Amino acid sequence: DQQVKQNSPSLSVQEGRISILNCDYTNSMFDYFLWYKKYPAEGPTFLISISSIKDKNEDGRFTVFLNKSAKHLSLHIVPSQPGDSAVYFCAASGTYKYIFGTGTRLKVLA
Amino acid sequence: EAQVTQNPRYLITVTGKKLTVTCSQNMNHEYMSWYRQDPGLGLRQIYYSMNVEVTDKGDVPEGYKVSRKEKRNFPLILESPSPNQTSLYFCAAGVAGGYEQYFGPGTRLTVT
Repeated sequence: DQQVKQNSPSLSVQEGRISILNCDYTNSMFDYFLWYKKYPAEGPTFLISISSIKDKNEDGRFTVFLNKSAKHLSLHIVPSQPGDSAVYFCAASGTYKYIFGTGTRLKVLA
Repeated sequence: EAQVTQNPRYLITVTGKKLTVTCSQNMNHEYMSWYRQDPGLGLRQIYYSMNVEVTDKGDVPEGYKVSRKEKRNFPLILESPSPNQTSLYFCAAGVAGGYEQYFGPGTRLTVT
């Protein structure tokens, strides 16, 4: 039973446009939600996180939105750049445990 | 520079031969964790450690052991590896909760 789902395995976006990556979860007890980016042959790197008591967090080009009633979060990247091409994982955290989604491969076209 | 190192980076072994993947961090973080990444399944947490001598199971602990005898090191032990443990393994260190975890570069393990 997948508690954190990323239903889009891949996404292509033109450079300069907005990228929107989506994530759904089933457990209302998660305290934090996080996004990580992963390049091939490297470990994931942290992008941004949001507490379950907030609905928006922004850091530069990256904004995460949390809709608790829909159990849905999204990552917006504006403007998208070719260097953003990577696999993006959303994750949910409760106490010390982390549940990751299966990832969405983003391709930003120049 | 904040760093998590893993060794070895690549390993091919045979079923049943005990192995250890080492993980070391230079950031003095209390929290460390092991994950495996498999196609179509994303990252799954194997074990985590909240501090020295304190460890607990993640979602997929079967077939793995860990120990945390000192803050900087968190080795992953496979007592009797099997082919279904062929995977890409990541160690991470950081502050638990909504804060950044720093991941190592990964260890690709093949069990034949």
